[in-house]
Amino acid sequence: DIVMTQTPLSLSVTPGQPASISCKSSQSLLHSNGKTYLYWYLQKPGQSPQLLIYEVSSRFSGVPDRFSGSGSGTDFTLKISRVEAEDVGVYYCMQGIHLPPYTFGQGTKLEIK
Amino acid sequence: EVQLVESGGGLVQPGGSLRLSCVASGFTFSSYEMNWVRQAPGKGLEWVAYIGGSGSTIYYADSVKGRFTISRDNAKNSLHLQMNSLRAEDTAVYYCAREDYYSVDDAFDIWGQGTMVTVSS
Repeated sequence: DIVMTQTPLSLSVTPGQPASISCKSSQSLLHSNGKTYLYWYLQKPGQSPQLLIYEVSSRFSGVPDRFSGSGSGTDFTLKISRVEAEDVGVYYCMQGIHLPPYTFGQGTKLEIK
Repeated sequence: EVQLVESGGGLVQPGGSLRLSCVASGFTFSSYEMNWVRQAPGKGLEWVAYIGGSGSTIYYADSVKGRFTISRDNAKNSLHLQMNSLRAEDTAVYYCAREDYYSVDDAFDIWGQGTMVTVSS
């Protein structure tokens, strides 16, 4: 199974400051079709997870442009250019290339200072 | 409105059974792959099971293989998870999630609100 490793596991950020989360996979997530099946989700307190980013860097509908994803192969990053209070929650990366199983990172908890 | 609504959770004794349901609305259910994802209290997300649009392709996590059965009824826009031989470690919130191949490269783009399953004597 592919192991997804996120760092850091927690993050405390002042509003307006940037934040960055790393996600590393134990195998390449690049498919022979040229797509890389790496996703980012946010689970706000008391809510279900919601999709933020698909295929490494494509923002899902309605996701603010302060969120951006980057990376390739086995190393990926989610960046928030200017953190807002509504961004608090737990961020998860997930791989969707080597199935089964889909695997998630451990989660990164973002708090506001 | 596109939505998924789960039901069927509750308290069950170890070794018991429970059947979860997820009713979809607002989209052509049969065109989408579906998944169950769970989250133990205070823990992260764990994928549980997958079913293709026609129901012919099914995958399970090793932790539930042989005990859980995923199924769907496209005529009733519903997804199910039959859980047998339940263990304490199956205690979790269970989410159903739509997998969208067409628009978001198989991401889980729609999630239900979750249903809590507690396995305890």
